[in-house]
Formats: sequence, C-alpha cells, structure tokens
Amino acid sequence: DIQMTQSPSSLSASVGDRVTITCRASQTITYYLNWYQQKPGEAPNLLIYAASSLQVGVPSRFRGSGSGTEFTLTISSLQPEDFATYYCQQSYRTPYTFGQGTMLEIK
Amino acid sequence: QVQLVQSGAEVKKPGASLKVSCKASGYTLSDYFIHWVRQAPGQGLEWMGWINPNNGDTDYAQNFQGRVTMTRDTSTSTAYMELRGLRSNDTAVYYCARYFYETIPNDRYAEYFQYWGQGTLVTVSS
Repeated sequence: DIQMTQSPSSLSASVGDRVTITCRASQTITYYLNWYQQKPGEAPNLLIYAASSLQVGVPSRFRGSGSGTEFTLTISSLQPEDFATYYCQQSYRTPYTFGQGTMLEIK
Repeated sequence: QVQLVQSGAEVKKPGASLKVSCKASGYTLSDYFIHWVRQAPGQGLEWMGWINPNNGDTDYAQNFQGRVTMTRDTSTSTAYMELRGLRSNDTAVYYCARYFYETIPNDRYAEYFQYWGQGTLVTVSS
C-alpha cells in the first residue's frame, strides 16, 4: 500500500497568514494527488485535484503543487472559514490512501 | 444538483451486521463509481472499496475483504455497503462518495472523490 504522510499534524495560524502543508508519498504517485478540507461534523470537500488543479468554486488563495512523492498545499491568506482539517489522498492505485490530516487552528 | 443521501445513524452489537444505504439524485447512478470511506472518531479517513453501479463489479480494501459487500439497486438509484462481524473498532462515520475521472490538459488524467454523502454514524457497543 502507498503510505501518505502529512506534516505538520497540527498548525496554529492567524487570519491573513500564509500556511503550507506538506504531503509525502511512500512511492511515486506522479500527479495523482488530491486535497480535501473537512470541517467538524461535515464530509470532506475537494479543494485540489491532480496535484495542482483548483476545483470549481474553491477560492484562488488555495494552491497545490508538487509531483512524484512530495506535494504541498498553500493557503496564501488565511480566512476565518479556512480553519479546518486538511487531508491529502493518492488516487494512483488502490487501496486509495489518505494522509493522517493536518488540523489548522486559530492562533 | 447532485446529492448522495445516506441512511441514518445506527447502534449495533459486536458480531452483528450493518447495511448503509446511499441514495443518489441529480444524475444516473450507473454513470459513476461509488466508493465507501470511513472515519473513526477523531481519526483520519480510511478507504473501504468501490462498486461500479453499471455492472456491479467491486473492489475492496484488503482490511475489509471477507467482511464487506457493496451492492446497488439501479431501479432506486441506491448503493449499499454491508459490513459483517462488527467489532468495537468499526465504530465510525461511514461515507459514500461519487468518484470522478477526467482528462485534463497536458495529457493528464484526474481521479477524485467529487461528491460525498452526509455520513452515517455507526456505533458498535455491547
């Protein structure tokens, strides 16, 4: 199975900050990497697919990059609604696997 | 608009079976694979498997082989996930999700969970 490792596991930041979350795959997944945002009590919501493509309706302050085994999600200027948990997920091969999540909290 | 509406919360005893439904609307169920993902309390997301509603083909994660069965009823646009031999560590929120794949620029291909059900909380307790 492909292991996905996110860092950090949690992050405190302020409104307006720029934050970066990293996701590493245990083997190459080329660009088959997606990012989801999850708020408490809700289902995950797709933000970025294919490593760097912004899902329709997602604000442009979200940016994904990377390929191979290392990927990043950057939020350029945090807004109050961005405080949530973020997951990466590989769609290179089954079993599809997720990172353990990064909880983004208000400082 | 596309919606996936799941059945309600359940409480089960260890050893029992569970069947969660996922009713699709706003599109034809047969047109897209349905995946199931679960999330234990305070934990991350775990992929369980998929069903192709067009022909009933399935693929299950190794962790669930022999305990899970995914089916569908195209006449009611509903997908089902049955899990047998429940244990306390099966306590989780179970999600269905519609899978989407497309060709994107630069001869690339994208696959992702596009729409999700609202989740079904299953509690396994004696």
